[in-house]
Amino acid sequence: DQQVKQNSPSLSVQEGRISILNCDYTNSMFDYFLWYKKYPAEGPTFLISISSIKDKNEDGRFTVFLNKSAKHLSLHIVPSQPGDSAVYFCAASAGGGNKLVFGAGTILRVKS
Amino acid sequence: NAGVMQNPRHLVRRRGQEARLRCSPMKGHSHVYWYRQLPEEGLKFMVYLQKENIIDESGMPKERFSAEFPKEGPSILRIQQVVRGDSAAYFCASSPRLTGGVETQYFGPGTRLLVL
Repeated sequence: DQQVKQNSPSLSVQEGRISILNCDYTNSMFDYFLWYKKYPAEGPTFLISISSIKDKNEDGRFTVFLNKSAKHLSLHIVPSQPGDSAVYFCAASAGGGNKLVFGAGTILRVKS
Repeated sequence: NAGVMQNPRHLVRRRGQEARLRCSPMKGHSHVYWYRQLPEEGLKFMVYLQKENIIDESGMPKERFSAEFPKEGPSILRIQQVVRGDSAAYFCASSPRLTGGVETQYFGPGTRLLVL
């Protein structure tokens, strides 16, 4: 039962352009969402999060958008840089709980 | 401020042996979580612990797996009588104690377990 889905296994973007990574969820109890970036042989690194009471959160080049009615969130990276090439994981938690449910990840490649 | 520490980074065991994975949380963090990542998959929650307490172990296999977070020392994830299917990357995360809101989890570099 995949409660968090990242339907695009990979994404390729030109340096300087926008990267948009998508995530869908099925559990309406989820109220907190996070994005992590992961390089090979390393642990996930926290990027940005959003609470369900908001529809947008911005931090530098990273913006997360939440559409609760569609149960969809997206991560925008502008401008994309080669160092952004990594696997990006979407994660969600419910009711102030501490168990994170992860998507399968999207591999982002930024070409210079 | 050191991040989450995990050791060993790589562990090779033969079938039937025991594997012990250690995690030291970030300074000031009192909550520890263990996740497992199988090849080509996302991370799957295993267990959530506070000092001397297991809070949520709903993701732990019923047999052979156990976890602890003693008053002193690191958190330990123990896998007894390992099988090939236990081969995976095991990640530990920690978060601070907050009075309200959701706590962001910060991850360690992981332990890659290979069972021969």
